[in-house]
Amino acid sequence: ETGVTQTPRHLVMGMTNKKSLKCEQHLGHNAMYWYKQSAKKPLELMFVYSLEERVENNSVPSRFSPECPNSSHLFLHLHTLQPEDSALYLCASSQERWSTEAFFGQGTRLTVV
Amino acid sequence: TQLLEQSPQFLSIQEGENLTVYCNSSSVFSSLQWYRQEPGEGPVLLVTVVTGGEVKKLKRLTFQFGDARKDSSLHITAAQPGDTGLYLCAGGWGTYKYIFGTGTRLKVLA
Repeated sequence: ETGVTQTPRHLVMGMTNKKSLKCEQHLGHNAMYWYKQSAKKPLELMFVYSLEERVENNSVPSRFSPECPNSSHLFLHLHTLQPEDSALYLCASSQERWSTEAFFGQGTRLTVV
Repeated sequence: TQLLEQSPQFLSIQEGENLTVYCNSSSVFSSLQWYRQEPGEGPVLLVTVVTGGEVKKLKRLTFQFGDARKDSSLHITAAQPGDTGLYLCAGGWGTYKYIFGTGTRLKVLA
């Protein structure tokens, strides 16, 4: 089992679709994160989940909705996305409640058509 | 606004050459990480530096944190094709304050 597993690896969806990205970590970590990686832009932190709370980047549109049912699983629910939302979405986890040392999954390459 | 600028943006070198990439900011960071990302994969953590002036070595890679904790460098000795990838620095400060640099895309030709 790899440390952080993301599914699907690739996703093509229309602007009216609803889909979900899944992340699972097998490291026993306490915090999980969603990042967005677009061409020519730095990696952007979207959401942070720890055991107790969620920290949300205020600039993330409401069409992205995270869910963390337990410390090992993290979802990103997507609805009515725009073409500019096409990007690589990366999930990560860390040992501490907030740590700058993160272990990343392989990402989901999302294309919105 | 915190910003981490990496230079150069792109670098293509021959196998066996040495290189240095830089990560600069006008802000102070409590810690700084370097990651390498290969195509189709997520970033992989290489090192963390926390003390101003700190130097860490990882085989042929040498990482240095600036004395003022505002900048860092990564030096690769005798680069190999397996070093090819996107090198990202990332800095943290405060709680939930964390940004990634703009990245240096390195290609090592055999």
